Amino acid sequence: NAGVMQNPRHLVRRRGQEARLRCSPMKGHSHVYWYRQLPEEGLKFMVYLQKENIIDESGMPKERFSAEFPKEGPSILRIQQVVRGDSAAYFCASSPVVAGSYNEQFFGPGTRLTVL
Amino acid sequence: GIQVEQSPPDLILQEGANSTLRCNFSDSVNNLQWFHQNPWGQLINLFYIPSGTKQNGRLSATTVATERYSLLYISSSQTTDSGVYFCAVELGSSNTGKLIFGQGTTLQVKP
Repeated sequence: NAGVMQNPRHLVRRRGQEARLRCSPMKGHSHVYWYRQLPEEGLKFMVYLQKENIIDESGMPKERFSAEFPKEGPSILRIQQVVRGDSAAYFCASSPVVAGSYNEQFFGPGTRLTVL
Repeated sequence: GIQVEQSPPDLILQEGANSTLRCNFSDSVNNLQWFHQNPWGQLINLFYIPSGTKQNGRLSATTVATERYSLLYISSSQTTDSGVYFCAVELGSSNTGKLIFGQGTTLQVKP
């Protein structure tokens, strides 16, 4: 059973460009979370999605960031007009359920975004 | 808001030594997970432990939810145990499952 897949693993963008980060959850998981780890900071929640629905985006910056999890295909975290402060490791996690007794989250290897 | 505090922030061990890492949280939680972030940056699941005690090889963990803390025990440490250990909790009032991470304990195991 393959784990959570993220690509690319490393992404370099110049200021003002767009960054697209992809996440394929574990097989059988329909819940996806995105977290960001800024340099010298801990991991912070960004957004929680189910198929075709954004459930909780309380951790997303108000501008330039968006996320989707279409019916088919991976979840996408999109950052428009990147700035140097967006340089960070972006992690995706998936879980099989949310409510109930079993909602352990499994993390992907992360995408390391560098903005020049 | 909820606070998740880990101690110690840094820890240096000689190979073979034992250690205990602590995670305190300020509110009731649904879930608690321990992770190891290795030197390559990957987050490895160690334990999903909202309550009780679990063991996996040289590692074990205990969560006492009523007293709002969890402990991670590492026995006979190895150099490959080096990295950052994170505790993460899901608020008891949460219905979305989002995790709140502590600041981590950075462990260095010397040969």
